[in-house]
Amino acid sequence: EVQLVESGGGLVKPGGSLRLSCAASGFTFSDYTMNWVRQAPGKGLEWVSSISRTSADIYYADSVKGRFTISRDNSKNSLYLQMNSLRVEDTAVFYCATGHGSYHYFNFWGQGSLVTVSS
Amino acid sequence: EIVLTQSPDTLSLSPGERATLSCRASKSDTGYYLAWYQQKTGQAPRLLIYATSSRATGIPDRFTGRASGTDFTLTITRLEPEDFAVYYCQQYATSPYTFGQGTKLEI
Repeated sequence: EVQLVESGGGLVKPGGSLRLSCAASGFTFSDYTMNWVRQAPGKGLEWVSSISRTSADIYYADSVKGRFTISRDNSKNSLYLQMNSLRVEDTAVFYCATGHGSYHYFNFWGQGSLVTVSS
Repeated sequence: EIVLTQSPDTLSLSPGERATLSCRASKSDTGYYLAWYQQKTGQAPRLLIYATSSRATGIPDRFTGRASGTDFTLTITRLEPEDFAVYYCQQYATSPYTFGQGTKLEI
């Protein structure tokens, strides 16, 4: 059974940093593109970032470019999102999600991790 | 950037009825690279359809996706009580991989 478990969310002040992790199991992690998608409270879904199987190709939404860094460790079956210079508008539930092959639709999702940016 | 516009924002129907949800892409670059997701309150989204019309694993055949040019449609025949949720379309043809704003399907 595919499982994605996010951790690392919490309350942080504007300008602060946070690192999200996503632990994967039940599938061959290194075979899948991985992604972060977020959802602000009461709002819709927003794609944040994607990383290819070997980390050779990385993409970011303009809203987080230069502030967020996606990475993965295939030996640990883990995905990460380093978030710096956080803003109030970054407050959201962050989901990690698998891609499918090289395609960027989101096949399996974690339960999400809430990040709250507030003073 | 490809902008996806979903309509209507809210659709009020009853169990047993047919639902038609629309998603219009701002560019033809979308091709057939469009997916649909269902999200229930407090849950993560679930993939329903990918490549415009292919059902994801375990999705019942009452969910059908199709396209006409840059207009995409998700049809749910014979609504079941568990189908009432928010539905999102998403294009994955080109980065940024954008979502529509969602359609709430309510009783």
